[in-house]
Amino acid sequence: RKEVEQDPGPFNVPEGATVAFNCTYSNSASQSFFWYRQDCRKEPKLLMSVYSSGNEDGRFTAQLNRASQYISLLIRDSKLSDSATYLCVVRVRTGGFKTIFGAGTRLFVKA
Amino acid sequence: NAGVMQNPRHLVRRRGQEARLRCSPMKGHSHVYWYRQLPEEGLKFMVYLQKENIIDESGMPKERFSAEFPKEGPSILRIQQVVRGDSAAYFCASSPQSPGHTDTQYFGPGTRLTVL
Repeated sequence: RKEVEQDPGPFNVPEGATVAFNCTYSNSASQSFFWYRQDCRKEPKLLMSVYSSGNEDGRFTAQLNRASQYISLLIRDSKLSDSATYLCVVRVRTGGFKTIFGAGTRLFVKA
Repeated sequence: NAGVMQNPRHLVRRRGQEARLRCSPMKGHSHVYWYRQLPEEGLKFMVYLQKENIIDESGMPKERFSAEFPKEGPSILRIQQVVRGDSAAYFCASSPQSPGHTDTQYFGPGTRLTVL
C-alpha cells in the first residue's frame, strides 16, 4: 500500500463546476499536510497547508480528518486556469521529518 | 529575490555517461532536498543535505548516485554510468531551516534528464 494515495483521475469538468480531491495516508505519525499544484512540465508549488480545523482560501477549501487519515481539497467555481495536477503531501515524523508526495490527480477544466 | 535555481534545465546523455545536476537554493536557505519524478508519477524523495553534510539519503539508489552540498557553490546531484531508467525530472527544493513539520519547501524548475 502506498503511503499517500490519491484519486487516480483525471477529472474532466466544465468551467464553474465544483471539484473534490481525496487523499488518504497510512502513517499515523504524519504530522502536517499540504496540497501542492503542479502545472505540466513545471515544478510543484504550494497551494495551501491543511489544518485540523479546516481552512479556506478563496475558492479552495482543505479539510483534514486525522481519525480517518483522510485529506480533501475542494475547488469551487473552477476556472480554466485551475487545470493542473494536484499533489497531496504529507510530512511524517521519522526521527526527523520526511516529506511524502502522492502521485497526484490531474484536473482538466474545459470551457 | 531569486528563487531556487537549477541547471541545466534539460540534459541529454548517452548510456554510460555521467550526469551532473546543479541546484542553488534560495538566498538564506541552507537546507536542500532532491526529488525524482518519473513520467506520470509523484515526486520521490532522494536526499536531504545541509552545507557539507548529508542528513538523510534514504531515498538514494545504492549505486551510481551521489549528492553533495559544499560550503561554497551549488548542491550537485551526480549520476554515474546513466541508464535509460534514470530518465526523469529531478527537482531540487530548499528551506530556510530544519524540516520541522510546518516548514515550506520551495522548488526549483527541475532538470529533465533524457538518457538515450
